[in-house]
Amino acid sequence: GEQVEQLPSILRVQEGSSASINCTYENSASNYFPWYKQEPGENPKLIIDIRSNMERKQTQGLIVLLDKKAKRFSLHITDTQPGDSAMYFCAASADSGYNKLTFGKGTVLLVSP
Amino acid sequence: EAGVTQSPRYAVLQEGQAVSFWCDPISGHDTLYWYQQPRDQGPQLLVYFRDEAVIDNSQLPSDRFSAVRPKGTNSTLKIQSAKQGDTATYLCASSFAGYEQYFGPGTRLTVL
Repeated sequence: GEQVEQLPSILRVQEGSSASINCTYENSASNYFPWYKQEPGENPKLIIDIRSNMERKQTQGLIVLLDKKAKRFSLHITDTQPGDSAMYFCAASADSGYNKLTFGKGTVLLVSP
Repeated sequence: EAGVTQSPRYAVLQEGQAVSFWCDPISGHDTLYWYQQPRDQGPQLLVYFRDEAVIDNSQLPSDRFSAVRPKGTNSTLKIQSAKQGDTATYLCASSFAGYEQYFGPGTRLTVL
């Protein structure tokens, strides 16, 4: 199987600063790494993902980095806003169809004005 | 486009009771997933289907949990004899050909 460790569990930042969440995985065959945002009482929503043929991906204030040698990937949120406050989950998949996602335990991001 | 729908949204049971959860995936999505999400943890995959076939149910506690998707569209997850440790949110998700998984709102289960 796969194990995904996610840190930190809680992250407090000031509005306008950047926030970084780090995840590590065990299975070197993992090839797909999505990030989900979950607001209280809501379902998880995909915000960005990266496949193993890339090292960096950026979209709308989000940057994902993948270091396959270290089996580590990270999410960086630039210019955080109060609306970014939520639970964030990383996940990894090692199957060819990207179906079996193993999630980290989540990071609560709190952005204060 | 309509999203993934689930019902009921909430369920409260005594230990030993049975409960069923229902999921309607996004139209055209061939793959359907059931996850268990304990409070303050990430979702954990229980089972997933492609069309009507079970592809992987290795994480489904088979003595009390069952899941079906008979026509390759809607799906039902059933817990035969609930335990307090089953308290969690049960999320259904769907995708087309294994791409982005879209999650439903979930069913929050409390077993007393």
